Amino acid sequence: GNSVTQMEGPVTLSEEAFLTINCTYTATGYPSLFWYVQYPGEGLQLLLKATKADDKGSNKGFEATYRKETTSFHLEKGSVQVSDSAVYFCAPRGRRFGAGTRLTVKP
Amino acid sequence: SAVISQKPSRDICQRGTSLTIQCQVDSQVTMMFWYRQQPGQSLTLIATANQGSEATYESGFVIDKFPISRPNLTFSTLTVSNMSPEDSSIYLCSVDGARASTDTQYFGPGTRLTVL
Repeated sequence: GNSVTQMEGPVTLSEEAFLTINCTYTATGYPSLFWYVQYPGEGLQLLLKATKADDKGSNKGFEATYRKETTSFHLEKGSVQVSDSAVYFCAPRGRRFGAGTRLTVKP
Repeated sequence: SAVISQKPSRDICQRGTSLTIQCQVDSQVTMMFWYRQQPGQSLTLIATANQGSEATYESGFVIDKFPISRPNLTFSTLTVSNMSPEDSSIYLCSVDGARASTDTQYFGPGTRLTVL
């Protein structure tokens, strides 16, 4: 089945720093890929997705590009805010989530 | 999108008892999923519940311990049976999105279970 390997955390950044959270996938074919976010004390929310190779998903300043040649779907944001502090999960279509990366942004 | 509610939102239970968690969706969906999220951990898929058929369980999870019902296209229950402290976790219901977002998953707010 489809699976992902996600960069381990925790990650601590200062406000306005650049963020990259790595995610590589193993899949049969090219399934849709997703990033979900879990803010403290809340449930999971879809952050962004890409449905085919070379697609770029984006939302709230976050971006991720579905790269077939490197089987990657890395999450990036140019300038993080304190409010971005959360746990981020990478997942392919197929229900199995990455380990999650906890991001803490300090003012 | 799909709006999902779960009951109860949290509970504290005694060892050896059972708890049934309800999941209600505001639209008809084909597939519903039950996950467990232990403190500080990722989500682990317990089972997939399809209406009209038996649930499909992931490795390490069995029907006797986690019986699931799926009586219609908007509702499912998960029972945690004969609980032990190791079952303390957040239990999450999830569905595939309907209509245009069929490959996106939506999650309920979770049920926080503590077993003493």
